[in-house]
Amino acid sequence: SQTIHQWPATLVQPVGSPLSLECTVEGTSNPNLYWYRQAAGRGLQLLFYSVGIGQISSEVPQNLSASRPQDRQFILSSKKLLLSDSGFYLCAWELAGDLDTQYFGPGTRLTVL
Amino acid sequence: QKEVEQNSGPLSVPEGAIASLNCTYSDRGSQSFFWYRQYSGKSPELIMSIYSNGDKEDGRFTAQLNKASQYVSLLIRDSQPSDSATYLCAVTLISSGSARQLTFGSGTQLTVLP
Repeated sequence: SQTIHQWPATLVQPVGSPLSLECTVEGTSNPNLYWYRQAAGRGLQLLFYSVGIGQISSEVPQNLSASRPQDRQFILSSKKLLLSDSGFYLCAWELAGDLDTQYFGPGTRLTVL
Repeated sequence: QKEVEQNSGPLSVPEGAIASLNCTYSDRGSQSFFWYRQYSGKSPELIMSIYSNGDKEDGRFTAQLNKASQYVSLLIRDSQPSDSATYLCAVTLISSGSARQLTFGSGTQLTVLP
């Protein structure tokens, strides 16, 4: 069976500090991978998606970036965090061709102070 | 504009009642429709998917889709306190490449009263 991991689970960072969030998927090959952000009391906002190693599409221009160095690894980064970057960051995976069904990881709760 | 709208609630129903959650979407190109359940502080959990007009039943859950009216709903029969959560409606659109874009509504908060 497939599992998806995210770490860290929670993170408190000062404004201007860098960020690296990691997501890994087990039990499948060549998944589509997604990063979402959920602000408090809000819906999910798609940030990035990837259909393969090194292939990243950005949905929202901002100070975040994403990379996919391995088939089942997806990383979200920032060089300098803003207060507005606080939120619940969710990674999701989808088996390509599986009728768009996405499954979410446990999430990382980021607080920028 | 791509948009998914849900009543934000909160929606309260007594235990054992039917909870009805509604969702409308703006893009007629939407092809896949999902309901996710999100407990407070947790990540969304997929509970139902539907792709064609009509009803789809899974246990106590029934999803209903009407593409002509651009409307999708979720019925929860015999509601239990454990069903208390925020329910997110999501629809997909064809995007560039092979990845689809899930567009989410802001969610409806459901409380089932014992």
